[in-house]
Amino acid sequence: GAVVSQHPSRVICKSGTSVKIECRSLDFQATTMFWYRQFPKQSLMLMATSNEGSKATYEQGVEKDKFLINHASLTLSTLTVTSAHPEDSSFYICSARDGFGDIGTDTQYFGPGTRLTVL
Amino acid sequence: TQLLEQSPQFLSIQEGENLTVYCNSSSVFSSLQWYRQEPGEGPVLLVTVVTGGEVKKLKRLTFQFGDARKDSSLHITAAQPGDTGLYLCAGARGTSYGKLTFGQGTILTVHP
Repeated sequence: GAVVSQHPSRVICKSGTSVKIECRSLDFQATTMFWYRQFPKQSLMLMATSNEGSKATYEQGVEKDKFLINHASLTLSTLTVTSAHPEDSSFYICSARDGFGDIGTDTQYFGPGTRLTVL
Repeated sequence: TQLLEQSPQFLSIQEGENLTVYCNSSSVFSSLQWYRQEPGEGPVLLVTVVTGGEVKKLKRLTFQFGDARKDSSLHITAAQPGDTGLYLCAGARGTSYGKLTFGQGTILTVHP
């Protein structure tokens, strides 16, 4: 199956600093990438949809100035948590969409996640 | 509003038992996917169902998509400790450009 990588896998930072998380599709070009946040023992919460060369679409309640998304190429999207605070501590997961909307062949592949801890 | 209701949220069973996880919605989905996630890792796709009434089998796992494409189930036969994990259903709608709606998840623990 297709592989999606995330870097770093875990990061610990001080309150007030910014953290950048990279998401790469390794063996396919992703038309769209998605960013999720997950709390312990809970489901995934979609934060934003990222399309190459255009502005990200944020879900309701997600601060776009807080969570900056850049989709520079068809294989790379980055999420920057600006001025991080302890409440931003969470597991952040990206996914990359392989396909162009054909039902059954349009699949999302998930990265391994990034554990962010803000002290 | 949760568009996909997944149940049960927690399931603790003994090795060898059977179990079923359900995902229900009042909305129609063009496809529905099931994922399994282990702690500290990303979700791994198990199956995608597309056609109403479709049944897919993956070893001891059986997936079914409802005739009206509003619900789905995952049945595990003779569960093993290695089946332990978080199971997630996620639906895609035709106009959502790939965006998935996730259920709440089911935490399955299989005791040896």
